[in-house]
Amino acid sequence: KAGVTQTPRYLIKTRGQQVTLSCSPISGHRSVSWYQQTPGQGLQFLFEYFSETQRNKGNFPGRFSGRQFSNSRSEMNVSTLELGDSALYLCASSRSSGRTGELFFGEGSRLTVL
Amino acid sequence: GQNIDQPTEMTATEGAIVQINCTYQTSGFNGLFWYQQHAGEAPTFLSYNVLDGLEEKGRFSSFLSRSKGYSYLLLKELQMKDSASYLCAVSSVSGGSYIPTFGRGTSLIVHP
Repeated sequence: KAGVTQTPRYLIKTRGQQVTLSCSPISGHRSVSWYQQTPGQGLQFLFEYFSETQRNKGNFPGRFSGRQFSNSRSEMNVSTLELGDSALYLCASSRSSGRTGELFFGEGSRLTVL
Repeated sequence: GQNIDQPTEMTATEGAIVQINCTYQTSGFNGLFWYQQHAGEAPTFLSYNVLDGLEEKGRFSSFLSRSKGYSYLLLKELQMKDSASYLCAVSSVSGGSYIPTFGRGTSLIVHP
């Protein structure tokens, strides 16, 4: 079956702009979580959605937001971009809320902020 | 809060055995898992331990001691393709669901 699909794969923005990233989970998976990955901080949890509801949010400013649609597809938005937002943004899906630990990751969207 | 420590980098020889350690401090512990991430690729699931002891899966094994807040990933018969980053992550209960907190990863370099 198809894996987790993220679009776009690469994008370049300038400071102050906003960006929207998209994630299509594996069919049948209802939980979608988002992570920011940087060389210095590793993988950091942004938020998790389950059945269109945000269940948890990581320690990121309000400029980072997300949503999930009825078909489980999810989007995340970053407004007023800063240089420090340059990172790989990974989406992961799982059947429930990740209790068994197995998350299926997409290949990520690499954001560069100039 | 959560705190996860693992070595930044390790090197090993093809055919050898390597052990990657992970120590953690967390509340609401619900399990520990390991992911492998090759450069430029998505992390892929390797193992999940919720009870103490050793879980073996082919060339890879993972061990957990909850009382010590300690886990290791053991890779046997190393192959060049095992060169990758290995991420230790702890699952904890938060807001009714289970949120993984990842360590910064151990970059393993396998040389001939």
